[in-house]
Amino acid sequence: ETGVTQSPTHLIKTRGQQVTLRCSSQSGHNTVSWYQQALGQGPQFIFQYYREEENGRGNFPPRFSGLQFPNYSSELNVNALELDDSALYLCASSSGLAGAGETQYFGPGTRLLVL
Amino acid sequence: AQTVTQSQPEMSVQEAETVTLSCTYDTSESDYYLFWYKQPPSRQMILVIRQEAYKQQNATENRFSVNFQKAAKSFSLKISDSQLGDAAMYFCAYLISSGTYKYIFGTGTRLKVLA
Repeated sequence: ETGVTQSPTHLIKTRGQQVTLRCSSQSGHNTVSWYQQALGQGPQFIFQYYREEENGRGNFPPRFSGLQFPNYSSELNVNALELDDSALYLCASSSGLAGAGETQYFGPGTRLLVL
Repeated sequence: AQTVTQSQPEMSVQEAETVTLSCTYDTSESDYYLFWYKQPPSRQMILVIRQEAYKQQNATENRFSVNFQKAAKSFSLKISDSQLGDAAMYFCAYLISSGTYKYIFGTGTRLKVLA
């Protein structure tokens, strides 16, 4: 059973650009959540997908969008990058009904630097 | 607004001793989950322990236990027989599990274990 993987591990972009981050869920997991973790802070919930539908969202603007694919892999897209978007982006997958408090398994994260 | 507060930015404990990490939260929901996550340096976040709000019994997982005081909105983590491997950032988190789903994390407590 493979764990949660994320790609790329590190990324440097310039302000105004667009970025796509990828996450491969743990086998059998149908729910994925994305988080932004600024340096020295706790993770901030961006959104959650359950069976390819968004079913929860934090306080992030629409330029943060996502997709979940039939194989339950996932993407986080961020448009019009701002300097404050520099952070570690974490994805986490879980099985079962979304919101049922199932254990989330986190990936290692993608560290994004916006210059 | 739902918030999670961890008032101890850093804690130290002697190896083999017991330490308690504090967490308070604010919510008007009656149905929710609470979690403690551990994030070791440069390693993936992992779940330590979970508590369902409707359960009065405090959750335990080996050396880890919680003191859940629902009326006081308090959820502290006790680590017994501390080990060097317990050194990490610990995050308290809350899941709104009705309607759309949303996770809220605290700012974390850095635990140092002294040999």
